[in-house]
Amino acid sequence: GNSVTQMEGPVTLSEEAFLTINCTYTATGYPSLFWYVQYPGEGLQLLLKATKADDKGSNKGFEATYRKETTSFHLEKGSVQVSDSAVYFCALSDTGANSKLTFGKGITLSVRP
Amino acid sequence: DAGVIQSPRHEVTEMGQEVTLRCKPISGHDYLFWYRQTMMRGLELLIYFNNNVPIDDSGMPEDRFSAKMPNASFSTLKIQPSEPRDSAVYFCASTTGQSSYEQYFGPGTRLTVT
Repeated sequence: GNSVTQMEGPVTLSEEAFLTINCTYTATGYPSLFWYVQYPGEGLQLLLKATKADDKGSNKGFEATYRKETTSFHLEKGSVQVSDSAVYFCALSDTGANSKLTFGKGITLSVRP
Repeated sequence: DAGVIQSPRHEVTEMGQEVTLRCKPISGHDYLFWYRQTMMRGLELLIYFNNNVPIDDSGMPEDRFSAKMPNASFSTLKIQPSEPRDSAVYFCASTTGQSSYEQYFGPGTRLTVT
């Protein structure tokens, strides 16, 4: 079946540091890939997505590239801010038309001033 | 545009009581999902609907949980009787089959069962 594996957390960085959060997946077919972000006390929000191999999703300074050869979708940001402190989830869509997403376990990012 | 609406935002109840959580999806979305989030188990998919019909309820923990979607703009998740281990944040999300399956989440209902 489909699965998403995220690196273990939590992650603590200083402001303006470089961020990488690893995500690898197992899936049949050609899923779409997503990063969701959950700020404290809120629901999940879509951060970025990529729908086919070699696509790069980007938003708010975050980027992730769909790498089919390594089955990865790592999240990066060149300079994190305190406001980026949140929980980050990697997810993939099941193939087919059922719209179901498979989520990773999430990783907590804390950015200190 | 209004996003996914959930009510109540917080619910505190005693063990054994019935709890009903409510969700209004985004207008035009034909898929609706119920999730549960806890520290121990993370984010779990409980059940999802397509065009008001339950498609997969394999994530529903046990018979104490039930979900309905009587029309395209409303869904309920009911727990009867509630137990302390049901304490969690419950999220509703919706999407349209015409998109790349990105889901839009509500703000969640924080349930505490004492």
